[in-house]
Amino acid sequence: GESVGLHLPTLSVQEGDNSIINCAYSNSASDYFIWYKQESGKGPQFIIDIRSNMDKRQGQRVTVLLNKTVKHLSLQIAATQPGDSAVYFCAESQSSGGGADGLTFGKGTHLIIQP
Amino acid sequence: DSGVTQTPKHLITATGQRVTLRCSPRSGDLSVYWYQQSLDQGLQFLIQYYNGEERAKGNILERFSAQQFPDLHSELNLSSLELGDSALYFCASSVDPSPDYEQYFGPGTRLTVT
Repeated sequence: GESVGLHLPTLSVQEGDNSIINCAYSNSASDYFIWYKQESGKGPQFIIDIRSNMDKRQGQRVTVLLNKTVKHLSLQIAATQPGDSAVYFCAESQSSGGGADGLTFGKGTHLIIQP
Repeated sequence: DSGVTQTPKHLITATGQRVTLRCSPRSGDLSVYWYQQSLDQGLQFLIQYYNGEERAKGNILERFSAQQFPDLHSELNLSSLELGDSALYFCASSVDPSPDYEQYFGPGTRLTVT
């Protein structure tokens, strides 16, 4: 079946640098995308979302980019901090119906912050 | 703290047994989702309830069932447990059943089947 996947399982960056986490999706019917952060021992936490009618959305220190042509999603974290260490998941759904209303998650990328 | 509570935090049981996981959604949220997180399958959507009624099904096994009660708390029942059912089980809640409303995740229940 179609699923959302991630390119890299682990990403190591220096504190203060910018981080870019990538995600590829294959379901062309998906129209809503979310990034979640999961810290050790905790449940996923919403970071930012984007709908398919947008290419870019910015939050506090985070930016999500959506390229529908190549079905690619990325999360940019500016000035990475130790507290950003976590596993990051992209997720997708079809808000317009046609599928289950649960989210389809990628495998996750473990972001490691080097001091 | 997301406002979603799950009990128990940890559960260890033997193959063939049955367990019940409990979830209380955030105050005001009518929709509850159940997800399974395992090392090999990642996070997978199992089932969704909205205001007491089943709304959507994902990759939920026939040995698993769920329900949402009038007070909106939900229970996930897992029966005839197998070693492969060992995983983290998350509950999430949202105010609206549409997938483009933010889902708030609980801390999870870690199930170990021995």
